[in-house]
Amino acid sequence: NAGVMQNPRHLVRRRGQEARLRCSPMKGHSHVYWYRQLPEEGLKFMVYLQKENIIDESGMPKERFSAEFPKEGPSILRIQQVVRGDSAAYFCASSPFQGQNNEKLFFGSGTQLSVL
Amino acid sequence: AQTVTQSQPEMSVQEAETVTLSCTYDTSESDYYLFWYKQPPSRQMILVIRQEAYKQQNATENRFSVNFQKAAKSFSLKISDSQLGDAAMYFCAYRSGGGGADGLTFGKGTHLIIQP
Repeated sequence: NAGVMQNPRHLVRRRGQEARLRCSPMKGHSHVYWYRQLPEEGLKFMVYLQKENIIDESGMPKERFSAEFPKEGPSILRIQQVVRGDSAAYFCASSPFQGQNNEKLFFGSGTQLSVL
Repeated sequence: AQTVTQSQPEMSVQEAETVTLSCTYDTSESDYYLFWYKQPPSRQMILVIRQEAYKQQNATENRFSVNFQKAAKSFSLKISDSQLGDAAMYFCAYRSGGGGADGLTFGKGTHLIIQP
């Protein structure tokens, strides 16, 4: 059973370009969370999605950032017109169900976004 | 809003010795969950141990144990018989047990160094 898969592992973009980060949850998991980690910081919650629905996007900037988790395919975190401050490691986590809040979150290895 | 504080940016311990990592949190909730995650240089987030707030008994996982003091809002991690493979960033995390869509709230982390 493969773990949470994120790609690419490293992504380099120039200011103003678009960044697309992909996350395939563990098999059987229908809930996906995205987190951002700045250098020397802990992970900060961005958005929580279930299949085809955004449940909580309170941690995601209103401008330039969007996320989706389509019925088929991976979850995508999209950052438009990237700026240097977007440089960070972006982590995806998945869980098999929501409501029983002691479920574990299974994390991917992250995508390191570098904006030149 | 909940906050998680890790006051030790870095800790160092001799191999085979015991080390304790501190974590305090602030919440007005009575139902919640606490976690310790390990992040080695590979960047993978690995769940080390978790504690349900309603349980008085401290959680234990092999060489890892916690000292959960609910009244003091303290959740420290004790690593016994430290091994070189324990070297990593350690993050304390909080999750609401309210049944909502809350993600994890992380502390800033403690960098654990194991001296051979």
